[in-house]
Amino acid sequence: QKEVEQNSGPLSVPEGAIASLNCTYSDRGSQSFFWYRQYSGKSPELIMFIYSNGDKEDGRFTAQLNKASQYVSLLIRDSQPSDSATYLCAAYNTDKLIFGTGTRLQVFP
Amino acid sequence: DVKVTQSSRYLVKRTGEKVFLECVQDMDHENMFWYRQDPGLGLRLIYFSYDVKMKEKGDIPEGYSVSREKKERFSLILESASTNQTSMYLCASSFIGGSSYEQYFGPGTRLTVT
Repeated sequence: QKEVEQNSGPLSVPEGAIASLNCTYSDRGSQSFFWYRQYSGKSPELIMFIYSNGDKEDGRFTAQLNKASQYVSLLIRDSQPSDSATYLCAAYNTDKLIFGTGTRLQVFP
Repeated sequence: DVKVTQSSRYLVKRTGEKVFLECVQDMDHENMFWYRQDPGLGLRLIYFSYDVKMKEKGDIPEGYSVSREKKERFSLILESASTNQTSMYLCASSFIGGSSYEQYFGPGTRLTVT
């Protein structure tokens, strides 16, 4: 069974801090990895994806991939209360995405 | 911008009714997907389709069927709704090929079966 694991949280960080969200995956054949943000009652929206080892930065967001350790992370710099949401990690393999159950992030003022 | 729309945001149906959920995308994506999302269980894939008239079972297809008569439209059908099908249903679409395979989601339909 191909799995993507995330800590459900909540992860609580103060405004302005760096939030670090982590994800592990079981299938070494996974090719691409995605981070989605989901506000309560809304659908997931894509934040960014990564498919090469290393870091990928987009504004306040940095995705990190380590294929040897089967580990993906998302860093959010200068966290804002508006970043409070559930963050879903997903791995692409063959023909579909496998989603984790998400980590709830709370950013307090 | 990619736009995926779903026919209803909220739907209430009775046990045993036949239910149709419609999804339309405007970006000429080949792939379309139906998921359900439940607390603690995350997103679970019901069915997906690579092309018109093609369908593939996902992880939880029991009690559901799908139809894809046109490239932009993918329908999910609950043949005889049951209370355990009360859930948030999400449609998504994506391109085939490239290196990313990212999926774009519609707003979701919250279905309640009483």
